This record gives sequence, C-alpha cells and structure tokens, in this order.
Amino acid sequence: DAKTTQPPSMDCAEGRAANLPCNHSTISGNEYVYWYRQIHSQGPQYIIHGLKNNETNEMASLIITEDRKSSTLILPHATLRDTAVYYCIVRVHVGGYSTLTFGKGTMLLVSP
Amino acid sequence: NAGVTQTPKFQVLKTGQSMTLQCAQDMNHNSMYWYRQDPGMGLRLIYYSASEGTTDKGEVPNGYNVSRLNKREFSLRLESAAPSQTSVYFCASRDGALTEAFFGQGTRLTVV
Repeated sequence: DAKTTQPPSMDCAEGRAANLPCNHSTISGNEYVYWYRQIHSQGPQYIIHGLKNNETNEMASLIITEDRKSSTLILPHATLRDTAVYYCIVRVHVGGYSTLTFGKGTMLLVSP
Repeated sequence: NAGVTQTPKFQVLKTGQSMTLQCAQDMNHNSMYWYRQDPGMGLRLIYYSASEGTTDKGEVPNGYNVSRLNKREFSLRLESAAPSQTSVYFCASRDGALTEAFFGQGTRLTVV
C-alpha cells in the first residue's frame, strides 16, 4: 500500500495560490491520488482526484509528477474559508476492495 | 438533498453502557463506512460495507459491531462503551471504488 507524506502545516496569504505538496513514492501504477479537506471538525470534503494526468475542477488543480511519486494540490486564490486540514490519500485495497486511508494531513492556515 | 445523515450529533455515555450510532444516506450509494477521529489524528476506518448485505473490518474494529440494515442505513454499535472509545465518529458513503466519498457531520461521543 502506498503511503503519503505531507508537511504538518503551511501558511498562505489570502488571495494567493496555496500549493500543498504530497509525496507518495511507493504508489502503484493503478492507484489514484485523492485529496480531501476537513474544515474545523466537520466531515471531510472531497476536492479532487487523479491518476497521472493533471486535473482541474472548480475547487482546485492537481499536478502529478511524471514519475507519479509526488503531487501538488493548488488552490489558485486562497480565501479564509480554505483554512482546513488537507489530506492526500492514495487509494488502498483491502480484501480486493478499495478504501480510503487518512493520514494526519497538512493544516493550511490562510491569513488576511 | 440531505446526503449523509448521522444521529445523534452528541452523546455522553457511562463506561459499560451500550449505544448505536445511526447513519443514513439518500444518494443510493452501494458502499458505506464508519471512521473514528481522535484529537490531532487522521480518520481511522472501523468497519465498512462494500454493498448491501456485506460488512468487513477496517483498521480498528475491536469493541464495535455494525449492521447494514438496507442500502440506505449503516449502524455502528458499541456493546460496552469504554473511555478509549471517546472520539468523533464519521459515517461516509460512495457509489463505487473510484468515486468521491461523502461524509456526515459526525457524532461526538464521550465515554466517562
């Protein structure tokens, strides 16, 4: 199972881009990278996921390196409401069925 | 559209008491999950149900039982609560292995 490594915390100024890194050097070829966030004890919220191509949606962009050993989540214009814990997850298979395994994530603090 | 609904939102139990946490989803999802989250930690999977009629253990199943009552409902039971089970419990559902998971707002359980 691929494990992920994220910095415990990051700061970002409001209106700037927030770039959150994630290392997943043991990822397998068929494992996807997912990003979720959790705002102050609420339930986690899905952001984006990808396999090897870069992905973009209305919330964020996901950049995956060519060797797939790391990725970056980009929030293009961070707002105060983006302050949250961000989890990078590689899909884990348990008994032939996939589940999501959450690590400790990165606490992103967006400041005025 | 309610999504994933958990009841109750808060609960205080005495050691040795039993209780059932309820979870219901209205998105016709096949898979449902129970996680727990302790302070400063990521989410840990307790049990999951890949489809109606099936349940499987996750990372931390000891002290818990689950029932997939029907496609909509997945309950988590504590037969004899212990202080170590003080935590925030999240229920989640998803349609398939590659789709996003939707989380409830959590049940904050304290065992004294």
